Amino acid sequence: AQSVTQLDSHVSVSEGTPVLLRCNYSSSYSPSLFWYVQHPNKGLQLLLKYTSAATLVKGINGFEAEFKKSETSFHLTKPSAHMSDAAEYFCVVRRDGNDMRFGAGTRLTVKP
Amino acid sequence: NAGVTQTPKFQVLKTGQSMTLQCAQDMNHEYMSWYRQDPGMGLRLIHYSVGAGITDQGEVPNGYNVSRSTTEDFPLRLLSAAPSQTSVYFCASSYLRGQPQHFGDGTRLSIL
Repeated sequence: AQSVTQLDSHVSVSEGTPVLLRCNYSSSYSPSLFWYVQHPNKGLQLLLKYTSAATLVKGINGFEAEFKKSETSFHLTKPSAHMSDAAEYFCVVRRDGNDMRFGAGTRLTVKP
Repeated sequence: NAGVTQTPKFQVLKTGQSMTLQCAQDMNHEYMSWYRQDPGMGLRLIHYSVGAGITDQGEVPNGYNVSRSTTEDFPLRLLSAAPSQTSVYFCASSYLRGQPQHFGDGTRLSIL
């Protein structure tokens, strides 16, 4: 069965430094993977998705993620953090059809 | 565009009461879904719909009913509220099946 594990519940970075949010997945076949962001008291927003095309996926707001099958990872990165990036981030795998399984989330804090 | 609108934003119920959470979207999306979000668990799919008149169960459907009489509306019903249903509920819509793109701001529900 497909599932995802977000390796850090909380990540803290300084403004202007790189961001790395880690996600490992388990899947019996090539999965569809997503990253969503949730700002406080808001719904989720789709950042990017991987659906077996290019392994390096570019998303909104300067984020990107690389699908590494050999490592079963789909880590989210950004070269330079901005204060507005502070939020909760969710890695998601899509099972067959309509069922999506969410990771527990990583809270990103950005320090001035 | 209003996007996805959820009402109410907050609600407190007593055990055994019934309630309907409303969700409406104005983007003519066929796919709509309901999730609950609990601390440390990400989002879990309750029910989803791929079009008017068609609904199906997700990961945690027990205690909830849905219907889809129009493309725009997808209400979630709690028939007999239980404390275990205390959560934040999100409605989402998409033109892509199985990939929620637009989320509402959530309904925070407490069951006493």
